Amino acid sequence: GAGVSQSPSNKVTEKGKDVELRCDPISGHTALYWYRQSLGQGLEFLIYFQGNSAPDKSGLPSDRFSAERTGGSVSTLTIQRTQQEDSAVYLCASSSVIPGELFFGEGSRLTVL
Amino acid sequence: DQQVKQNSPSLSVQEGRISILNCDYTNSMFDYFLWYKKYPAEGPTFLISISSIKDKNEDGRFTVFLNKSAKHLSLHIVPSQPGDSAVYFCAASATSNTGKLIFGQGTTLQVKP
Repeated sequence: GAGVSQSPSNKVTEKGKDVELRCDPISGHTALYWYRQSLGQGLEFLIYFQGNSAPDKSGLPSDRFSAERTGGSVSTLTIQRTQQEDSAVYLCASSSVIPGELFFGEGSRLTVL
Repeated sequence: DQQVKQNSPSLSVQEGRISILNCDYTNSMFDYFLWYKKYPAEGPTFLISISSIKDKNEDGRFTVFLNKSAKHLSLHIVPSQPGDSAVYFCAASATSNTGKLIFGQGTTLQVKP
């Protein structure tokens, strides 16, 4: 596709369950970011992948959160033992130039009941 | 520690007038700045950027000003249009570091017809 694709667009889960969110970046983009936006809040940085470098995980809020990027392309954000405070829109973005414009997906809205 | 701050959560202006959105940052290592616009249920889209070697960048109705000594940037929209109504985020990056983008909390702009 031409843009950043995220799935699922909506996910409702029960507290304590694990969830996986997927991001397909724009082809050829070496940088990939995950952010989240909680209700009424700004964009909170979670994790950043750049080429083959070790990811910058400094924004992950707890060890229940992890992410991987396979083959320098698709990324999966995994949240284990979800809590209600994890409810948010999770946004993925990619970029071909550092620094440069990020292209965002439409987000995955996670609701933890 | 909020490194990028947008202290005005909302702004309302009349169509045709100037909209001024402000952003402050604390990290003196930041040297690249961007503004994004976000409509509900969509991912943020890039508006305009500025490098720290400049103090002004203009693109059509949008102008970004950077005051490095004050660690302050602003986005001017002239003339404002109802379609500009959205949430505006500023973002900053330290290119000498990993280059990851840190976002502010956002300012909701309403342009009244």
